[in-house]
Amino acid sequence: GAVVSQHPSWVICKSGTSVKIECRSLDFQATTMFWYRQFPKQSLMLMATSNEGSKATYEQGVEKDKFLINHASLTLSTLTVTSAHPEDSSFYICSATAHNEQFFGPGTRLTVL
Amino acid sequence: QKEVEQNSGPLSVPEGAIASLNCTYSDRGSQSFFWYRQYSGKSPELIMSIYSNGDKEDGRFTAQLNKASQYVSLLIRDSQPSDSATYLCASYSGGGADGLTFGKGTHLIIQP
Repeated sequence: GAVVSQHPSWVICKSGTSVKIECRSLDFQATTMFWYRQFPKQSLMLMATSNEGSKATYEQGVEKDKFLINHASLTLSTLTVTSAHPEDSSFYICSATAHNEQFFGPGTRLTVL
Repeated sequence: QKEVEQNSGPLSVPEGAIASLNCTYSDRGSQSFFWYRQYSGKSPELIMSIYSNGDKEDGRFTAQLNKASQYVSLLIRDSQPSDSATYLCASYSGGGADGLTFGKGTHLIIQP
């Protein structure tokens, strides 16, 4: 199957700082990648669709100025959580489509103090 | 509004028995359906995908789809303790540029 990686796997930061999370497709090219967020004991919620070479599409209720997405190449999308606050603490997971299926990265655990 | 509904459980099944997980979806335009397994603190892992009405079998797993009833199920035969996890049902409506719509997941416990 296709492999998707994320970096870092976990990060702890102070309130008010920005955090960048990388999502890479290792053995395939992905024109579209997806960013999900999962709070404890909740399901995955789609935050945004990242499109290579164009602006991301955000789901209703997700602040695009707070969650900056850049998809500069066919193998890399980044999510930057700007001015992070404790309520942004969550498990962030990216995915990419290959062979008509979505493959997920291992996730990034963000804790904002 | 696309929705996928699952019973959150926990669903407790004796080892060796059949575990039956169910899911309903609201969007009749949904084309594909997926079952993911997620262990605590880990990313989802694809178990099964199903695109047409009927049954699809893969090893101990069988997915069933009934588009008329908007119903998807996953059967796990000969349940093992390692099958204990949260199982997420997801639907897909787009042509490659849409994300998945997930249910909240069913927590399955296999009792040794």
